[in-house]
Amino acid sequence: DTEVTQTPKHLVMGMTNKKSLKCEQHMGHRAMYWYKQKAKKPPELMFVYSYEKLSINESVPSRFSPECPNSSLLNLHLHALQPEDSALYLCASSLEGYEQYFGPGTRLTVT
Amino acid sequence: AQSVSQHNHHVILSEAASLELGCNYSYGGTVNLFWYVQYPGQHLQLLLKYFSGDPLVKGIKGFEAEFIKSKFSFNLRKPSVQWSDTAEYFCAVNALSYGKLTFGQGTILTVHP
Repeated sequence: DTEVTQTPKHLVMGMTNKKSLKCEQHMGHRAMYWYKQKAKKPPELMFVYSYEKLSINESVPSRFSPECPNSSLLNLHLHALQPEDSALYLCASSLEGYEQYFGPGTRLTVT
Repeated sequence: AQSVSQHNHHVILSEAASLELGCNYSYGGTVNLFWYVQYPGQHLQLLLKYFSGDPLVKGIKGFEAEFIKSKFSFNLRKPSVQWSDTAEYFCAVNALSYGKLTFGQGTILTVHP
């Protein structure tokens, strides 16, 4: 099974809302990632978790808060977002240094 | 810092034409190289990968890529494209010392039937 699942598929939230994105994989991968992808642009790395510890934060604003409750799950908590944060948020997992498997993404719209 | 450059933003071909998409990266150390494809409305899928060994690697759907270390290049090729190859293609590099994947800007391929 090479599947990474993400929920929800679509999310519309106001600038004062708090919401969470969820990601799950059962491939035994110990590295998990959050990316942001704007239309017609490549994915931009946001966070990397390695063995459930945050190893890379690409200077992401604090209104995005990642969490890795266990080796299969990755969350992204959202609070007080701005309209420019509207994008496709992708989760991925991998064995470290090897190919990353991507989920279908959550299409986020901030109103 | 590592960077990845894809030569073409948009390529338009007719079915059965040959395809070559260029990718160059800037990093002098050990790298793992990838091509990903994103079909319209679908998620990123791995097309092929290079870690070591034979610099000519074959991927899914008839795609192949050649790693030329001296040119810091990893070009994607397909001898005969199909309409179903219409998609966006991303070259990506993982410089092992950085521990993260860097994507090129992407090339949109449109294949006319």
